Amino acid sequence: DTGVSQNPRHKITKRGQNVTFRCDPISEHNRLYWYRQTLGQGPEFLTYFQNEAQLEKSRLLSDRFSAERPKGSFSTLEIQRTEQGDSAMYLCASSSGQGDNSPLHFGNGTRLTVT
Amino acid sequence: AQTVTQSQPEMSVQEAETVTLSCTYDTSESDYYLFWYKQPPSRQMILVIRQEAYKQQNATENRFSVNFQKAAKSFSLKISDSQLGDAAMYFCAYRSLLRFGNEKLTFGTGTRLTIIP
Repeated sequence: DTGVSQNPRHKITKRGQNVTFRCDPISEHNRLYWYRQTLGQGPEFLTYFQNEAQLEKSRLLSDRFSAERPKGSFSTLEIQRTEQGDSAMYLCASSSGQGDNSPLHFGNGTRLTVT
Repeated sequence: AQTVTQSQPEMSVQEAETVTLSCTYDTSESDYYLFWYKQPPSRQMILVIRQEAYKQQNATENRFSVNFQKAAKSFSLKISDSQLGDAAMYFCAYRSLLRFGNEKLTFGTGTRLTIIP
């Protein structure tokens, strides 16, 4: 168990550029989540996968955001035409999905700064 | 929609003393889970303790315990014998047990805990 891995740790981009983040969950965890955390706030749910199926998306996930988990293992989160309001920490978490109370294991996050 | 409120943006406690962090939530559901997560500076968020709403007994994990008051919709965290390593942001979180959409956590805004040596 090497934990949830997120890359890159930091990303600085200019407004209007596209960015992609990657999340590698704990192996054999079939559930994967993306959250966004802005300064001084708690994490906000973005989307959730069970295996390769995206089962829920928050209304926070505008058309510029897309997430994939093509083989039910790693996941990517892409933001197109970034805006300054997208600056935040993007957190990935995974869980085993065994029972209703399987705990979430979080990664260290990717901090995005849009200039 | 559920909401989680943490009214203490910052708290401090002397090392080895006890501190209580407060959390209230709003929901119309009767079955749910509540969590406390800890986020140390520049480190990943980790689960501290969890409580099932149907259980009357308050959860405990070593020096961490909760005071769960279902009728009052209150879920406070007590840290006993505070240690320097307890310094972190603490987030209270709610999870619905409804079949659809039961996966997401709703977080409060957090309480920054400082431990004074």
